[in-house]
Amino acid sequence: NAGVTQTPKFQVLKTGQSMTLQCAQDMNHNSMYWYRQDPGMGLRLIYYSASEGTTDKGEVPNGYNVSRLNKREFSLRLESAAPSQTSVYFCASSYRGQSQPQHFGDGTRLSIL
Amino acid sequence: RKEVEQDPGPFNVPEGATVAFNCTYSNSASQSFFWYRQDCRKEPKLLMSVYSSGNEDGRFTAQLNRASQYISLLIRDSKLSDSATYLCVVNYIIQGAQKLVFGQGTRLTINP
Repeated sequence: NAGVTQTPKFQVLKTGQSMTLQCAQDMNHNSMYWYRQDPGMGLRLIYYSASEGTTDKGEVPNGYNVSRLNKREFSLRLESAAPSQTSVYFCASSYRGQSQPQHFGDGTRLSIL
Repeated sequence: RKEVEQDPGPFNVPEGATVAFNCTYSNSASQSFFWYRQDCRKEPKLLMSVYSSGNEDGRFTAQLNRASQYISLLIRDSKLSDSATYLCVVNYIIQGAQKLVFGQGTRLTINP
């Protein structure tokens, strides 16, 4: 049972480059989330998708875009990477909405030079 | 005041000891409460939900105090494998929209 799968695990980019982080879940969850985690800041929500076909901004959406491709997949795109986006990115899913516990992927460590 | 506050620690306790830590939250409308654990360089994993009447899962006991707006986690007979960062997570409903807020975590080290 894979749960939540994120790719890639690690990535180094140069300032201005673009990339897409991929996330897929096989738990038949309706809601999916993207977080970033920085030292001393805790987990901060970037974007979420309450259900297939919907996406909403979280706490720190600037510089990011998302696509809920289908029920299983939710991708995060950095159009023009900046050093401030160096972070660990986690994708998560829950059965329905933010009142229920979320299950996390094992993260993407992203460095922007 | 932060929406969810935790003592960052670190807490260093000997193996076999009992350790407890609290988490305070600012919004009295909070609906759901969870404890997650996060190992170094790993993803957060759900440890347990916190119910109004308090709940226990093996060596772990979680309690909720709505009047004082805090939740607690008690670990009995601590093991080396309990070393981790413990995240307090609180759900709010604001203007009809749900929001899940993570505390910054309390770092726990169990020493042999």
